[in-house]
Amino acid sequence: EAQVTQNPRYLITVTGKKLTVTCSQNMNHEYMSWYRQDPGLGLRQIYYSMNVEVTDKGDVPEGYKVSRKEKRNFPLILESPSPNQTSLYFCASSHNRDRSTDTQYFGPGTRLTVL
Amino acid sequence: SQKIEQNSEALNIQEGKTATLTCNYTNYSPAYLQWYRQDPGRGPVFLLLIRENEKEKRKERLKVTFDTTLKQSLFHITASQPADSATYLCALDPIKAAGNKLTFGGGTRVLVKP
Repeated sequence: EAQVTQNPRYLITVTGKKLTVTCSQNMNHEYMSWYRQDPGLGLRQIYYSMNVEVTDKGDVPEGYKVSRKEKRNFPLILESPSPNQTSLYFCASSHNRDRSTDTQYFGPGTRLTVL
Repeated sequence: SQKIEQNSEALNIQEGKTATLTCNYTNYSPAYLQWYRQDPGRGPVFLLLIRENEKEKRKERLKVTFDTTLKQSLFHITASQPADSATYLCALDPIKAAGNKLTFGGGTRVLVKP
């Protein structure tokens, strides 16, 4: 089944404790992206990657890191989480071959709480 | 500044009626506009994409229009059903943006009552 998976789905942590949220897709997509979703602010892009070893900042990259060593994986790293990073996080992927038909496939989400 | 606005108030509608949602944008020149459905606690799911040179797009009971002069897209759910209850998001693909950089509106929640 074609899908984007994220782990963990739920995470409660404390300020300053490094964490990684994994994202994997099995559709051989070139493009991957991370979003956070907050009430009243909608979905905001954190980082995106056009292909392996190519990453770029989205609209709200501060406090986050990403890496793209393999095509299928795009982990999101919070080196020193803070309470304002409490949010619902989504990973997404797409082919990125033709923007006139390209659509994004989203993962199930990771609900992160930073105390 | 660039803005994408969707009605933040929930839309309550009777089963069988047509729901109409609005997506307005400012300071964008989007090449494409997409609509997604999101259920509580789940990731958005793609529904429809419409290009700037298309006036209307249909998929089953869904219809999307795109007016680049008014800077507006309308999303219609005809013969609505309780299963259509969800939040609907519009997303723009800015024509001049680097990469595949979708920007989302805040979404409109739809509640279809039996």
